[in-house]
This record gives sequence, structure tokens and C-alpha cells, in this order.
Amino acid sequence: KAGVTQTPRYLIKTRGQQVTLSCSPISGHRSVSWYQQTPGQGLQFLFEYFSETQRNKGNFPGRFSGRQFSNSRSEMNVSTLELGDSALYLCASSPGLAGGAQFFGPGTRLTVL
Amino acid sequence: GDSVTQMEGPVTLSEEAFLTINCTYTATGYPSLFWYVQYPGEGLQLLLKATKADDKGSNKGFEATYRKETTSFHLEKGSVQVSDSAVYFCALPGTYKYIFGTGTRLKVLA
Repeated sequence: KAGVTQTPRYLIKTRGQQVTLSCSPISGHRSVSWYQQTPGQGLQFLFEYFSETQRNKGNFPGRFSGRQFSNSRSEMNVSTLELGDSALYLCASSPGLAGGAQFFGPGTRLTVL
Repeated sequence: GDSVTQMEGPVTLSEEAFLTINCTYTATGYPSLFWYVQYPGEGLQLLLKATKADDKGSNKGFEATYRKETTSFHLEKGSVQVSDSAVYFCALPGTYKYIFGTGTRLKVLA
């Protein structure tokens, strides 16, 4: 099976712009979670989607949003970018919500100038 | 609430040294426990898991035993290699979200 794919891998934006990141989960996986990883804050949970519904959301401002499509692919959007949004954004998929392992993509490295 | 605490890094070892990375947890019930590894420039990869008390997860020479009495899941390897240099995360599926430790950076010197 192909692994989790994320596009683009690298992105450079300027403050105030908005960005959309994409994640394709492993075939058959219905749960997709997003994380922000920075050197200072570590790995922080953004949100989780299951069957096109947001199940849980982390403590991030409303500028961060996401969605999941019927084929389980997911996108996250960050509007009005700030310098502090520079991070590695990781997507992880799992078959369901039963508390099993998560499978991560390589991440999208976002740099905000 | 659910939480994971793992030892601070970085940990620097010589090749063939013994490795222990401590992880303790607080959880409702008895969830599965996981170790993930992140190599430079990559996402996290599942390294091993244990699904119930006294289970031992193992992979690539790494081992960890699910200890209910001490609420621990320490990662061990008998002889590390330079290629093991990475960041290691202990994790559990919490009630509302996956809980990850802060990560422990391991550097192995030749």
C-alpha cells in the first residue's frame, strides 16, 4: 500500500497570505489527523477528521481550519499567516477511531516570511 | 487527563552502547502504547507498540514493555548504531486526541 502523501513538501509564504495543505491517507484509512511541529512547542494537535466530520480540535485560533472529502483526503487551511505559523505540518492517518497506530506523512515545511 | 512524560534529551551515546529512553504515562483505562521515531527531514514512523499490560513490543532491535504497576513504557536497545540517530516519541491514544511525549533526541557517535 502507498503511504500517506502530503503536498506540497515545501512552501514559502509571506505574512498575511493564506495557504492550503493537502493530505492523502493510506487507502482504506478513514481518520486523518493534523499536527504542527516546531522546535519550541514540539508536536501539537490541530484537528482530527473521520468520515468527513471534524471529531476533535486542538487549541489553535480560528485561522486554522480543515476539511475531509468523501475519499478521505484532507486539506488544512491557514489564513492570514503569521511568522509564528512557520512549522512542519504533519498529517497522520489511521483506519478508524479505535485507538490504534497512526501513520504519518513526510510533512509540509511551511516558512512564513 | 491523559499524559505522557519522557526523559529530556539530547542523549549522546557511542556506537554499540546500551540505550534506555524513559517514558511514563497517565491514562484512563489501559490504552495501547506506542513508540515513534522521526529521522531528520521526515515524518514520524511507528517503531513499536504494545496493546496490553506486560506486552513487549519489539522492532529493529528496540524493545519496550508495558508496565502497568509503574505506568511505564521505557524504550531499550542493546547496541545502538549511528543510523539510530533520530528523535523518539512515546505516545498513547488519549480520550480526545493522540498524546505524544516531547520527544527525546538521540545522537550516536561512531
